[in-house]
Amino acid sequence: KQEVTQIPAALSVPEGENLVLNCSFTDSAIYNLQWFRQDPGKGLTSLLLIQSSQREQTSGRLNASLDKSSGRSTLYIAASQPGDSATYLCAVTGSARQLTFGSGTQLTVLP
Amino acid sequence: GAVVSQHPSWVICKSGTSVKIECRSLDFQATTMFWYRQFPKQSLMLMATSNEGSKATYEQGVEKDKFLINHASLTLSTLTVTSAHPEDSSFYICSARGLDRGYNEQFFGPGTRLTVL
Repeated sequence: KQEVTQIPAALSVPEGENLVLNCSFTDSAIYNLQWFRQDPGKGLTSLLLIQSSQREQTSGRLNASLDKSSGRSTLYIAASQPGDSATYLCAVTGSARQLTFGSGTQLTVLP
Repeated sequence: GAVVSQHPSWVICKSGTSVKIECRSLDFQATTMFWYRQFPKQSLMLMATSNEGSKATYEQGVEKDKFLINHASLTLSTLTVTSAHPEDSSFYICSARGLDRGYNEQFFGPGTRLTVL
């Protein structure tokens, strides 16, 4: 059974810092990996989707990498802003084409 | 594109009543829809997977007689929480995928907050 782990569970940084969120998964047989953002009480916003054949994806200040063989992904946020404060979720699509979510990293960017 | 809506966005009901939540794909045909539940400060847990025109497949530990799922068309799935109790209070999120939107990507609705008094 696929398990997805995110470290750290919570992170607090001053505005302007670059930061890295980590995600690991136990079964490397995945179709893709996706990073989501969730604001309190809200639904999910898809940030980046990396297909299993890709190694990274970039969107603005966000860069996500994927090392499928080692079961790891990182989300890099450059020049963090208070508006980036949210919970970031990592999820993988496995062989059954179902998403398995990590427990999330709660990010707080202090002004 | 790839918009999924949910209705209602929030609902409060009395214990023992039933509540229906709708999930619609607005601009694509959803061959498969998923229902997730999220408790406060926890991640999303898959409850069930439904394919259009077929019975839903429930995850282990999810009571199919309590959480009735209907996926009667390619754009609509409903989740009915029957005889709701306070412990059913949660955030319910649906997602959908379709052949014309990349079969391996799910698109999420905004969620429904259920509070059972």
